[in-house]
Amino acid sequence: GAVVSQHPSRVICKSGTSVKIECRSLDFQATTMFWYRQFPKQSLMLMATSNEGSKATYEQGVEKDKFLINHASLTLSTLTVTSAHPEDSSFYICSARGTSWANSNEQFFGPGTRLTVL
Amino acid sequence: QKEVEQNSGPLSVPEGAIASLNCTYSDRGSQSFFWYRQYSGKSPELIMFIYSNGDKEDGRFTAQLNKASQYVSLLIRDSQPSDSATYLCAVHMEYGNKLVFGAGTILRVKS
Repeated sequence: GAVVSQHPSRVICKSGTSVKIECRSLDFQATTMFWYRQFPKQSLMLMATSNEGSKATYEQGVEKDKFLINHASLTLSTLTVTSAHPEDSSFYICSARGTSWANSNEQFFGPGTRLTVL
Repeated sequence: QKEVEQNSGPLSVPEGAIASLNCTYSDRGSQSFFWYRQYSGKSPELIMFIYSNGDKEDGRFTAQLNKASQYVSLLIRDSQPSDSATYLCAVHMEYGNKLVFGAGTILRVKS
């Protein structure tokens, strides 16, 4: 149990285009999903927290108009990188926390999406 | 002061030895602590979590927590080359209801 998928696993796009990344909890309902970004040789940096049916909470320094997050259902959250630029190239990872594990604060991670902006 | 601090390493140990990974945190109110393993190019995978002071064992892994010292550690017994990875310490922050990750410690197990 507790499987989280991400799609696509890898994407290459031109500067100025928008890219959408999907995060799905496959076998549980995710009340909360988290989006992280990881640059090479650095740790995970939380970008935003999204709760189903409400607006995402962004971390300081993360532009909410650039990184659009939608958490429309208990099993799906999407991150859209708008007008991507080379500096947005990174490894984007989502995680999900479910109702069954609400007390443990445990998060299950998706496999990540590697974004390369040319 | 960083919220979660780890020695970046690399920590090198011979195969079969005990690897000791350490982590300190700043929020005295934190209650949940997690150790994740991350292989290069992959996302983190949970090794174990701990809530109570003392030791928690799971197979070759033992997590140790000392809330008074704001210190959490992970011991890996009988280290194997396949344990070579980056180990991330994560602390649940009550404020914001989120996990904060340390920078990670690179572990290299040499055969």
